[in-house]
Amino acid sequence: AQSVTQLDSQVPVFEEAPVELRCNYSSSVSVYLFWYVQYPNQGLQLLLKYLSGSTLVKGINGFEAEFNKSQTSFHLRKPSVHISDTAEYFCAVSAYNYQLIWGAGTKLIIKP
Amino acid sequence: DGGITQSPKYLFRKEGQNVTLSCEQNLNHDAMYWYRQDPGQGLRLIYYSQIVNDFQKGDIAEGYSVSREKKESFPLTVTSAQKNPTAFYLCASSAVRAGEKLFFGSGTQLSVL
Repeated sequence: AQSVTQLDSQVPVFEEAPVELRCNYSSSVSVYLFWYVQYPNQGLQLLLKYLSGSTLVKGINGFEAEFNKSQTSFHLRKPSVHISDTAEYFCAVSAYNYQLIWGAGTKLIIKP
Repeated sequence: DGGITQSPKYLFRKEGQNVTLSCEQNLNHDAMYWYRQDPGQGLRLIYYSQIVNDFQKGDIAEGYSVSREKKESFPLTVTSAQKNPTAFYLCASSAVRAGEKLFFGSGTQLSVL
């Protein structure tokens, strides 16, 4: 069975500073990996996904993530955050049955 | 514009009452999903459907029911058997292919009076 662990429930960071949101997964089979973002009182939207190929994946709003198979990680990074990045970020994994397994989420708090 | 619409945005349930949350999509997606979101717990799958007139239980289906009579629509009923219904409910849709992204509605906040 797959599982997803987001190591931090909240990450505070100053505006224009870099940020990394951590995601680790466990799976005995090949997986697809996703990061979604949820702005307050809204649904989720896809930031980026890894299906195969290059392990560095670029997404929307300047975010990128790196798939590390040996460490079973898929950490999300942004070199310089903006106040508009305040949101909750979810890591998710899917395997052969297409169903997504979700992490508990990480709230990104931008300090002015 | 194509998208997925949930209504109402806010809903209140009285003790012993069934309530129905609406979800409509015009993306021509075969798959539709209902998730429950509680603070600090991520998303938990209630029901999903990959084809009209067929649906499957997710991880927390007890106290909920669904129907899929049309491709565009996947309503969720929260029955009186669901003793702790207060949560944010999200509907999503996708194509049925590995690695496809989910499109989400803007959610319904259900509270108990």
